[in-house]
Amino acid sequence: DAKTTQPNSMESNEEEPVHLPCNHSTISGTDYIHWYRQLPSQGPEYVIHGLTSNVNNRMASLAIAEDRKSSTLILHRATLRDAAVYYCIPRSIAGNMLTFGGGTRLMVKP
Amino acid sequence: NAGVTQTPKFRVLKTGQSMTLLCAQDMNHEYMYWYRQDPGMGLRLIHYSVGEGTTAKGEVPDGYNVSRLKKQNFLLGLESAAPSQTSVYFCASKNRQGKGEAFFGQGTRLTVV
Repeated sequence: DAKTTQPNSMESNEEEPVHLPCNHSTISGTDYIHWYRQLPSQGPEYVIHGLTSNVNNRMASLAIAEDRKSSTLILHRATLRDAAVYYCIPRSIAGNMLTFGGGTRLMVKP
Repeated sequence: NAGVTQTPKFRVLKTGQSMTLLCAQDMNHEYMYWYRQDPGMGLRLIHYSVGEGTTAKGEVPDGYNVSRLKKQNFLLGLESAAPSQTSVYFCASKNRQGKGEAFFGQGTRLTVV
């Protein structure tokens, strides 16, 4: 699986948009880009995934660069409950392993 | 609607003792995973399984063994616990489809003294 680079931490104000970047320059053409988040004292939970096109769901939006070497998770209005560690995971559709990097710790200020 | 259930939720072991952590999923998923997470760190993959009767090593397999005798259960064993194995252990499952989401348990907090 491709290696990823994410900022260690980011801060946001409540009710403002948050853009969480991820670089995955070694991604292959068949790797999906998955995002998970881990709330304090909980197991990770799935957020969103995509291949080439931008994706939206009830939790977030995923913007994927045209060359697919980077992506951005967008939380449109951060809430205190969104404070978590966010993990970007490029993953081959044929791959069996699911490995996590360091992630970005998002802090949301009221 | 249980999803992924881990047993036990907490455990304290003495150095050298053995124990087994149980992960059970009710979603008929083929893939199952065991991770450990040390304080302030990300998750590291210990072992995983792509189907009943199969297991494979992950990033940090030493000191652990696993078994997948039934599709719904994935067991993680510590034969001789060491203080370095003090951690929070998470189990996850997903279906075979590569882009499917993984579902995680709530974790087992293990302390080895």
